[in-house]
Amino acid sequence: DAGVIQSPRHEVTEMGQEVTLRCKPISGHNSLFWYRQTMMRGLELLIYFNNNVPIDDSGMPEDRFSAKMPNASFSTLKIQPSEPRDSAVYFCASSLAGGTGELFFGEGSRLTVL
Amino acid sequence: GDSVTQMEGPVTLSEEAFLTINCTYTATGYPSLFWYVQYPGEGLQLLLKATKADDKGSNKGFEATYRKETTSFHLEKGSVQVSDSAVYFCALVSSGSARQLTFGSGTQLTVLP
Repeated sequence: DAGVIQSPRHEVTEMGQEVTLRCKPISGHNSLFWYRQTMMRGLELLIYFNNNVPIDDSGMPEDRFSAKMPNASFSTLKIQPSEPRDSAVYFCASSLAGGTGELFFGEGSRLTVL
Repeated sequence: GDSVTQMEGPVTLSEEAFLTINCTYTATGYPSLFWYVQYPGEGLQLLLKATKADDKGSNKGFEATYRKETTSFHLEKGSVQVSDSAVYFCALVSSGSARQLTFGSGTQLTVLP
C-alpha cells in the first residue's frame, strides 16, 4: 500500500518567493495534518483537516502561511512570501478519524529559504 | 491541556547496552499512548502503542507499559544496536473528540559500535 506522499522532497528558494508543498494522504484516511520540524522548536502542528475541512489552524505561524484540501486525496501548504526563518522540514500525516489516533507520516519536504 | 514530557537527550550508548527513555504525560480521561521513531532523513513512524492501562506495546525488541498510576510510558530495550540510532518521540491522543496527537520533544539516541 502506498503511504503518505509528499512533494517536493527538497526545495531551495530565495526569500520572497512563493513555496507550495503538496501531500497525498493514504487512501481512505479522512484526517490530514501538516507539521513543521526545526532543531529549535521541534515538531509543531500547523493545521489539521477532518473530511477536507480545516478544524484547527492555530499553529499556522502567520498570514503568509495557508493550507487547502480541495479533495480527500490532495492537500497543499503554501508560503507566500517565504522568509529564511521558514526553513524547516514540513511533514504531512494522515489518519483515520475515529481510529486509535495513529498518524502515518510522509517523508517530509525539506525547505531552505535563502 | 494534554502534555507529554520526555527525558532530554541526547542519549549515547554502546551496542548491546540497556535502553530506557522516560516519558510521562498529563491528560484528561484515558488517552492512548504511542512511541514514534524518526530515522535520519525520514518521517516519523509508529514504533509501538498501548490503548489502555497496563497494556504493553512491543515491537522490534522495544517495549513500553501503560502505567496509569504513575502516568508513564517509558520505552525500554534490552540490547540496542547501531541501527536503533534515531530520534524517539512519545505521544498521546486523548479520549476526547479531537483525537489530535500531542508529542513530546523527542530524544536523540546514538548507539556506538
